[in-house]
Amino acid sequence: DGGITQSPKYLFRKEGQNVTLSCEQNLNHDAMYWYRQDPGQGLRLIYYSQIVNDFQKGDIAEGYSVSREKKESFPLTVTSAQKNPTAFYLCASSIASGRNYEQYFGPGTRLTVT
Amino acid sequence: SQQGEEDPQALSIQEGENATMNCSYKTSINNLQWYRQNSGRGLVHLILIRSNEREKHSGRLRVTLDTSKKSSSLLITASRAADTASYFCATDAVEYGNKLVFGAGTILRVKS
Repeated sequence: DGGITQSPKYLFRKEGQNVTLSCEQNLNHDAMYWYRQDPGQGLRLIYYSQIVNDFQKGDIAEGYSVSREKKESFPLTVTSAQKNPTAFYLCASSIASGRNYEQYFGPGTRLTVT
Repeated sequence: SQQGEEDPQALSIQEGENATMNCSYKTSINNLQWYRQNSGRGLVHLILIRSNEREKHSGRLRVTLDTSKKSSSLLITASRAADTASYFCATDAVEYGNKLVFGAGTILRVKS
């Protein structure tokens, strides 16, 4: 089965703790993305990576960090510096970055921080 | 700033009826894409329409693009209960670094 997997589906953390969300793809895609979705809103881009060992900040990168050590994996760490981390997080990939490529999404991780 | 905005925010129709959702945007685009999201799930790509195209079809879906009005519409014909979902438009524009910018979505409910 080709696709994108995210784990876990639900994640609960205490305020002040860092937490890492997993994203793995076996589509052989070069580009990967992390989005945040809040209730009733669209997706906002946190970070994206066009190739291994390279990544760029999106629109709302503050309080988040990523790594791209392998083509298949793009984990997202939500740090204690993120003021309002409770949200639905979506990972996506595309064949390459740039124009005219569709994105494939994982099932999402719902993070709740109390 | 919101590049793409969908209209209406919510739509409720009977099974068998057609559903039309609209998307307006602000800058020149390379392409516009429509995605569907079932509740609590990831997004699924529906259609990509390039800036030099005016209409595309995929099964019961028809997408139009009017670059002069900076708007697009998604028509779902003969809707089914399984079409109940949120629908998002996403624009790919040079001004936004060729990254997809998503609208807030239209919630479609198809009643059986």
